[in-house]
Amino acid sequence: ELKVEQNPLFLSMQEEKNYTIYCNYSTTSDRLYWYRQDPGKSLESLFVLLSNGAVKQEGRLMASLDTKARLSTLHITAAVHDLSATYFCVSAGNKLTFGGGTRVLVKP
Amino acid sequence: GAVVSQHPSWVICKSGTSVKIECRSLDFQATTMFWYRQFPKQSLMLMATSNEGSKATYEQGVEKDKFLINHASLTLSTLTVTSAHPEDSSFYICSASRPRGGTDTQYFGPGTRLTVL
Repeated sequence: ELKVEQNPLFLSMQEEKNYTIYCNYSTTSDRLYWYRQDPGKSLESLFVLLSNGAVKQEGRLMASLDTKARLSTLHITAAVHDLSATYFCVSAGNKLTFGGGTRVLVKP
Repeated sequence: GAVVSQHPSWVICKSGTSVKIECRSLDFQATTMFWYRQFPKQSLMLMATSNEGSKATYEQGVEKDKFLINHASLTLSTLTVTSAHPEDSSFYICSASRPRGGTDTQYFGPGTRLTVL
């Protein structure tokens, strides 16, 4: 059974500092997604990572994938309040398997 | 990008009644749709996979007779919560699968918040 583990589960950030969320998955998967969810809302797609060594960046967020280590990271550069949300790492095989989510709170 | 809608966005019902939630892919045909439920401050849990024209595949522990899924067309899947009880109160999210660039991309609906009194 595929398991996806994120850590930390909660991250209190200070503005303008850098942070990393880690995602470990237990078995080989086709691709790795990162989603953002705001309270009471559905999921917003951030990144899809397809191959080993893939790195994608959008604004202050950068995601990477190491398929050999079965590890993906989401790096936040110079955090700002707008980035407060819950971030999910999702591994895709024949179905999606979600990590537990990382609640991010950026404090001024 | 692709759009997936859900209706209603929220619903409050009495215990024992049935509630139907619709999931539509607005600008593409989705042969596969997925239904998830999410409890407060928890992750999404896959309930079932819905394939157009065939029976849904339910995840272990999900009662198929309680959560009826119908995928009547390539753009519509419905989830009916039968004889709802307060423990069924949750956030229900659907997603639709669309082939893109050689892989299937999941597009999520906005979710339906169900409260059973």
